[in-house]
Amino acid sequence: TQLLEQSPQFLSIQEGENLTVYCNSSSVFSSLQWYRQEPGEGPVLLVTVVTGGEVKKLKRLTFQFGDARKDSSLHITAAQPGDTGLYLCAGDLGNAGNMLTFGGGTRLMVKP
Amino acid sequence: EAGVAQSPRYKIIEKRQSVAFWCNPISGHATLYWYQQILGQGPKLLIQFQNNGVVDDSQLPKDRFSAERLKGVDSTLKIQPAKLEDSAVYLCASSFMRSTEAFFGQGTRLTVV
Repeated sequence: TQLLEQSPQFLSIQEGENLTVYCNSSSVFSSLQWYRQEPGEGPVLLVTVVTGGEVKKLKRLTFQFGDARKDSSLHITAAQPGDTGLYLCAGDLGNAGNMLTFGGGTRLMVKP
Repeated sequence: EAGVAQSPRYKIIEKRQSVAFWCNPISGHATLYWYQQILGQGPKLLIQFQNNGVVDDSQLPKDRFSAERLKGVDSTLKIQPAKLEDSAVYLCASSFMRSTEAFFGQGTRLTVV
């Protein structure tokens, strides 16, 4: 069992549709991050959320941190083929060393 | 600003052989991570350094994996001997001290045959 569970694991949608992916845990995180990874590349940081209930927007992407800081969601409006990739959430439990633990990822495919 | 550099990009070895990966983090980043990413999964932390000290290596299979960061800058990760299940992408990342905003290299794709 992973510390961070992401759902769905796979998502295939048409261009222009909206979607939400989820990142859930029973643990409380001092911060949580979302990354996007494209084939053959390393993950690239999209956003960091640190406050319970926090909402951050990055163009068509909206990130929310749960009030209890145990879960997060990523909502994409009007998805485009360029949004295709593996979306990873990663959490920091706030213990010594600031270790970053990743979820299993959501693989998104946006068809034109 | 230069990103995290890793080499080689690809490596194919036979089981029981040894292999080494190299990572040069972003200048000024005290923290360096090595992750293993098996196809279809999220990255799994193998070892985390703060300068040249180990912060966590609880998931490093120490019977076959070793890592060092002698001068607190570059790092190498070694596998000896390799097993088939070690086939994965090995990602190096770095961050400023007390920050978890990590910057990743492109990774080394290892295939063990």
